[in-house]
Amino acid sequence: GAVVSQHPSRVICKSGTSVKIECRSLDFQATTMFWYRQFPKKSLMLMATSNEGSKATYEQGVEKDKFLINHASLTLSTLTVTSAHPEDSSFYICSADLAGGGKETQYFGPGTRLLVL
Amino acid sequence: AQSVTQPDIHITVSEGASLELRCNYSYGATPYLFWYVQSPGQGLQLLLKYFSGDTLVQGIKGFEAEFKRSQSSFNLRKPSVHWSDAAEYFCAVASSGGSYIPTFGRGTSLIVHP
Repeated sequence: GAVVSQHPSRVICKSGTSVKIECRSLDFQATTMFWYRQFPKKSLMLMATSNEGSKATYEQGVEKDKFLINHASLTLSTLTVTSAHPEDSSFYICSADLAGGGKETQYFGPGTRLLVL
Repeated sequence: AQSVTQPDIHITVSEGASLELRCNYSYGATPYLFWYVQSPGQGLQLLLKYFSGDTLVQGIKGFEAEFKRSQSSFNLRKPSVHWSDAAEYFCAVASSGGSYIPTFGRGTSLIVHP
């Protein structure tokens, strides 16, 4: 149980285009989903916290107009990288916590590798 | 604010040898502590967690970790390493009295020699 999926697993796009990444909790409902960014050989940096039906909370230094987050249902959150640039190339990982319990533990998706040319 | 230090960037062990990965945390109260493993190009898999109770925690894949409050440590151990254990290991700490959002260490890369 507690499986989180991400789609796509990897994407290559041209500079200036927008890319949408989906994060789904497959067998549980998630009140809260989290988006992380991971640079090569680096730790995970929390970008934003996404609550179903409300606006996301962004961490300091993360541009909310560039990284649009939508959490339309208890099983789906999306991250859209708008007007992508090569410096946005990274590994993006989402996670979710169990609604109604188990809040202390997050379940992570497999990640999405974004390459902006 | 909480923080995590993983002092070793790389650890190299021979297959069958024992393993200990170090993790030190900084947090004012009793923390929630986690160890995650990440294989290349993959997301994070939870190995084990400590919330309260027995300070020696058993996890999956034969891993265990011990919470030592006096040393602010939560080191990960395995008595006999397998080649498939080669991966990146992340220690994380979360607030026990707040949002539970974990703060991750920078990770330790485990290399296993045959």
